[in-house]
Amino acid sequence: QLQLQESGPGLVKPSETLSLTCTVSGASIRTRDCFWGWIRQPPGKALEWIGTIYYNGDTYYNPSLKSRVTVSIDTSKNQFSLKLSSVTAADTAVYYCARVRQKTKSGGEDYWGQGTLVTVSS
Amino acid sequence: DIVMTQSPDFLPVSLGERATINCKSSQRVLDTSNNKNYLAWYQQKPGQPPKLLIYWASVRESGVPDRFSGSGSGTDFTLTITGLQAEDVAIYYCQQYYSIPDSFGQGTKLEIK
Repeated sequence: QLQLQESGPGLVKPSETLSLTCTVSGASIRTRDCFWGWIRQPPGKALEWIGTIYYNGDTYYNPSLKSRVTVSIDTSKNQFSLKLSSVTAADTAVYYCARVRQKTKSGGEDYWGQGTLVTVSS
Repeated sequence: DIVMTQSPDFLPVSLGERATINCKSSQRVLDTSNNKNYLAWYQQKPGQPPKLLIYWASVRESGVPDRFSGSGSGTDFTLTITGLQAEDVAIYYCQQYYSIPDSFGQGTKLEIK
């Protein structure tokens, strides 16, 4: 059974960099069948797509965050990561990692981590 | 960017009745090369990640009860829950994955009347 688990600091100071890692178990991250993505949800608000990465390192970012976001992949550890720089209180959210199926085959995020709350505060 | 707008924001429905949630995209999400609408529906319960219910606008994900159905094409879509059960209380989101950035609706909170 595929599982994803987010890890990283729950508190980040304003202007610093938020760093999260998603560990995938139950399947290899080195697959051509899907992408791996990050989505966030501010408390009480809707979901926001951050970006995705393919096994070969190709990345796709939300333009609204592109200047601050880096998603990377480590196939040797079966992990992918998110870095968001220059954070402000508006970046406070539950951050989810997810498997993203290719849209021509089905599409949609079918497996999700439980999410991790990251609070930006001094 | 494609903007997704759901209606209503809040939907009270009696047990056993039908719930209908609408989703409108600001641009067509239909891929004319394969006639697929790149539109998904998710269910999110408190403290849990979203759960994929429907993809390609109308295809039910494996394991999802058949009381959930999706319809629509182009820019207008509907999620219907027939025979509402107490466990269906949740927030429902539509999502387009036709073009980057993928985008979600603002959510519809479904509750028991």
